[in-house]
Amino acid sequence: QVQLKESGPGLVQPSETLSLTCTVSGFSLTSYGVNWVRQPPGKGLEWMGTIWNDGSTDYNSALKSRLSISRDTSKSQVFLKMNSLQTEDTAIYLCARGGGYNSGYAFDYWGQGVMVTVSS
Amino acid sequence: DIQMTQSPASLSASLEEIVTITCQASQDIGNWLAWYQQKPGKSPQLLIYGATSLADGVPSRFSGSRSGTQYSLKISRLQVEDIGIYYCLQAYSAWTFGGGTKLELK
Repeated sequence: QVQLKESGPGLVQPSETLSLTCTVSGFSLTSYGVNWVRQPPGKGLEWMGTIWNDGSTDYNSALKSRLSISRDTSKSQVFLKMNSLQTEDTAIYLCARGGGYNSGYAFDYWGQGVMVTVSS
Repeated sequence: DIQMTQSPASLSASLEEIVTITCQASQDIGNWLAWYQQKPGKSPQLLIYGATSLADGVPSRFSGSRSGTQYSLKISRLQVEDIGIYYCLQAYSAWTFGGGTKLELK
C-alpha cells in the first residue's frame, strides 16, 4: 500500500538549515510527484513545494529563496532543505503524494508529519 | 498568487444537521479544487477532488459543488466522526490552501 514517512531533526537552531527526508513506498517517484506541506502549531496548512514525477520542481513564492527539494529515485526518497530558519518556521512538516491529473492534482496520500522546532 | 478565502472559520452544528462550508477563489480555477478533513493529531484526509468527485472510501454524505469561483463542501447529515477541521485546496496554479473551518458539535 502507499505510504510516506517523514524523518529529520526535531530541533534546529535559528539561522541554520533544515534537512528532512520523505521515504515513500507503494509507488514510484517517476510516476507520481511529492509535495511538502507545513502546519505551524494550531494553525492552517501551507503548501511549500513539489517535485514532479519528471524531477522538476515548483516552490511557494514566499519560500522560494530558502527552499530546495530533490530526490533519490533509487532509494524512493524525497529531500527538503530550507535555510535561514527562524522561530516562525516551527511547524509540523508533512510530505504528500500528488495524485496527478486523474485526481485533480490533489494530494491523495500523506505522511504522518514530523514536528520541527526552531529554537536556541 | 491565487488566494482561497474559506468561510466560516468555525461552525457549530447538531447531529444529523446539514453543514455547508465554502471557499472563494481569487480567480478562475476551473474544477481544480479539493477538500480535506483533518482530525486532531492526524494528517489531512482527501474527501473531494476535481470540485465534485468523491475520493475512495469517503461516505456519500459528503459532496462538493461549484458556482463560478465559489466552491462548497456539504455534509448532508452530520455524524460524530465528521468533527474536525476542513480545508480547501486549489490546484490550478501551484497549490493554495484555504484558511480552514473548525467544525464542532453543538
